[in-house]
Amino acid sequence: AQSVTQLGSHVSVSEGALVLLRCNYSSSVPPYLFWYVQYPNQGLQLLLKYTSAATLVKGINGFEAEFKKSETSFHLTKPSAHMSDAAEYFCAVSDTSGFQKLVFGTGTRLLVSP
Amino acid sequence: KAGVTQTPRYLIKTRGQQVTLSCSPISGHRSVSWYQQTPGQGLQFLFEYFSETQRNKGNFPGRFSGRQFSNSRSEMNVSTLELGDSALYLCASSLLSGVSTDTQYFGPGTRLTVL
Repeated sequence: AQSVTQLGSHVSVSEGALVLLRCNYSSSVPPYLFWYVQYPNQGLQLLLKYTSAATLVKGINGFEAEFKKSETSFHLTKPSAHMSDAAEYFCAVSDTSGFQKLVFGTGTRLLVSP
Repeated sequence: KAGVTQTPRYLIKTRGQQVTLSCSPISGHRSVSWYQQTPGQGLQFLFEYFSETQRNKGNFPGRFSGRQFSNSRSEMNVSTLELGDSALYLCASSLLSGVSTDTQYFGPGTRLTVL
């Protein structure tokens, strides 16, 4: 079964600093991976997704992620953090059993200080 | 295009009661999935509906059920509520079912509190 592991339940950065949120996947078949963001009292918003077309995926709000098969990783990065990036971020893998089911990581809360 | 809508946004119930939550998918989307989000268990898949049929169900007791209507709107029901059912319930819609690359778009959720 597919699964994802997010390292670090909390990540703190200063405004303007690099953002790096880690995600490692476990899958017996080529995975389809997603990053979602959740702001307080809101649902999940898609940042980007990897579907094997390109290993470097660009998303919204300046975020990008690189799929590295050798490291089984799909880390999310942003060159310069903004205060508005403070939120919880979830990495997810799509179930390949033929159903619309996402398996989520435990989430990483990003804190941005001025 | 309007996004996924969920009603109500907040609910307070007492143990033993039942509750029905509603989800309207994005226009044209035929698959609706439900997830439960709690601080302890995180985001967990409940079930998926496509063309009025439940296609998949997560590891939840039979007290959790759902249905989908011909217009793709979906409802989920929880009977005999327990304190542990307090959670944010998220609905997600996608165009198709069984397509792993198809994006799921989430609604704002319904916050259920069981007292």
